[in-house]
Amino acid sequence: EAEVAQSPRYKITEKSQAVAFWCDPISGHATLYWYRQILGQGPELLVQFQDESVVDDSQLPKDRFSAERLKGVDSTLKIQPAELGDSAMYLCASSPDLVYEQYFGPGTRLTVT
Amino acid sequence: ELKVEQNPLFLSMQEGKNYTIYCNYSTTSDRLYWYRQDPGKSLESLFVLLSNGAVKQEGRLMASLDTKARLSTLHITAAVHDLSATYFCAVDEEYGNKLVFGAGTILRVKS
Repeated sequence: EAEVAQSPRYKITEKSQAVAFWCDPISGHATLYWYRQILGQGPELLVQFQDESVVDDSQLPKDRFSAERLKGVDSTLKIQPAELGDSAMYLCASSPDLVYEQYFGPGTRLTVT
Repeated sequence: ELKVEQNPLFLSMQEGKNYTIYCNYSTTSDRLYWYRQDPGKSLESLFVLLSNGAVKQEGRLMASLDTKARLSTLHITAAVHDLSATYFCAVDEEYGNKLVFGAGTILRVKS
């Protein structure tokens, strides 16, 4: 069964360092999502791509976060510089298109010290 | 702005008992999802509800959607320990597949 892949699974970084996460969606899925889930809360959408184009990044803190999906397949989410408040689970999801169910990857647990 | 509220936020149940988790949302939407999350794990899709009156069942879980009341319920029948997890509802905002999640309900089933 096809799955969304994410790496790394765990990342510990120091405050002010740069960090990057990678996501490979299910093959053929045009829509890709990045969510941030703070411990004890529900996931919050950071950015949504349709193919290589950003559909919504209204909740992405653009002063320190960036996301790209250059060829419309895999995607990278970067934080520079990391802050203590960025400690969270970062989830990637994909769907065949904008109207279909989203499938979530295993997530990357980020700890900023 | 769409708001999604779940209650209760924490539920401790005895095995064999029934209970219901409620999910209220603030604006019109016909698409609602229920997910399960185990500690430290990702989200597992449970149900997709796409129309008013939709009802879906899987094992001891049954979900329903009332779009007029802006309410979904997740009913647990004869709970077992394996159902212990956090359950989230999520509502599609603006039909653009932009999900807004509730805060989650932590379910603990005690033997």
